[in-house]
This record gives sequence, structure tokens and C-alpha cells, in this order.
Amino acid sequence: KQEVTQIPAALSVPEGENLVLNCSFTDSAIYNLQWFRQDPGKGLTSLLLIQSSQREQTSGRLNASLDKSSGRSTLYIAASQPGDSATYLCAAPRYSSASKIIFGSGTRLSIRP
Amino acid sequence: DVKVTQSSRYLVKRTGEKVFLECVQDMDHENMFWYRQDPGLGLRLIYFSYDVKMKEKGDIPEGYSVSREKKERFSLILESASTNQTSMYLCATAGEGAGNQPQHFGDGTRLSIL
Repeated sequence: KQEVTQIPAALSVPEGENLVLNCSFTDSAIYNLQWFRQDPGKGLTSLLLIQSSQREQTSGRLNASLDKSSGRSTLYIAASQPGDSATYLCAAPRYSSASKIIFGSGTRLSIRP
Repeated sequence: DVKVTQSSRYLVKRTGEKVFLECVQDMDHENMFWYRQDPGLGLRLIYFSYDVKMKEKGDIPEGYSVSREKKERFSLILESASTNQTSMYLCATAGEGAGNQPQHFGDGTRLSIL
């Protein structure tokens, strides 16, 4: 059974720092891993999707990596800005049904000006 | 860009009412999902549809039903609303081969059952 964990639950850093958000999963036979952003009271915005055959994906200041053997993914945010403040969630498909994904509980990120 | 539109941002209903939450997408996606999000419990899948008139139960289908008569529209129905169904409801879509497609979410409906 796939379980997805994100630690820490909350993180506060000063503006301009590079930072890493962590995601771990129990079933390494995953098709992909997705990272999302959620602003307060809003829906989720898809940031990056890493296929199982890839090791990383980049979009602007964001870089996501995937290490299936260790059951880990990281989201690297370069030169953080106050506008990056949000909750970041990772999600991995279930082994039994790839269309259904399991979400981590998220890391609430706060960037201090 | 994918657009997923949920009919209401906020909704207040009374216990026992039949409640309809609507979701419309403009990207011709085969797959549509309904989740609820609660503090401390995260996002949980209620129902999933992979084609018109096709549906699958998620983790917490009790007290809910769904309807997908047209490809672009996926409705969540609370048969007889109860206070424990007060929650944020999120609709999502994904293209064919949903296992390798990103899910795209609407802005959510915050539903309160009094």
C-alpha cells in the first residue's frame, strides 16, 4: 500500500534562500511523482510531474528530483521569494490503480521578506 | 491552459438536503476526480470517473454519489447532507493515461452543512 510522507509540516526561511522540500514514499514501483502548490483557500496547482524513467524535472526556479530506490523525491526552490509562500504537496500513484494518486500531507512554506 | 470550473466557491446547506456540486472542464479529459480536503486528514478521493457514465469508488464514497452524463461535466451528489460532510471539495481532471498525466484542479467548493 502506497504511503506518502512530507517532513517537515512547516518551514519558514528568509527571502533569497535556496531550499529543499522532502517527500518520501513506500512503494518504489511508481509510475510518476507529482508536486503541487496550494494557496490558502484555493485548489491545487500542478508544478512538476516526474516520470518513473526520469531523475529530475525543472521549471523556472523549481527543480524536482526522483530517487525510486530510496523512495524519495525533493523539490528544490532557488532564490526563494515571498510569493513562493504556500503549501507544497507531493503525490504518487497507487500500485493498484495508477490513475488514483496518494497525497502527502504537505509542507507549509513561509518566506520571510 | 486547462480550465476546471467548480460551480460554487462557497455553499451553505442544511442537514438532510440533497446537494449537488458541479465540475466542468474544457480540455476533453477522460478522467475526472472528486476529493475532499480536511485539516489533519489531507486530500481523500471520493469518486473517480474514467469515461462518460463510468465511475469508480475512491476511499470514502459513503454518503456520496456521482454523475457523468457528458464528458466535460462531473457532478458530486450528497444524497442526504450531514454535518460531517462539511469540508472543502476539490474536482480534478487528467488526460488519457491518467497514471502519467498531471492532475489539474478547480478552485474548490467550501461546503458547510448546518
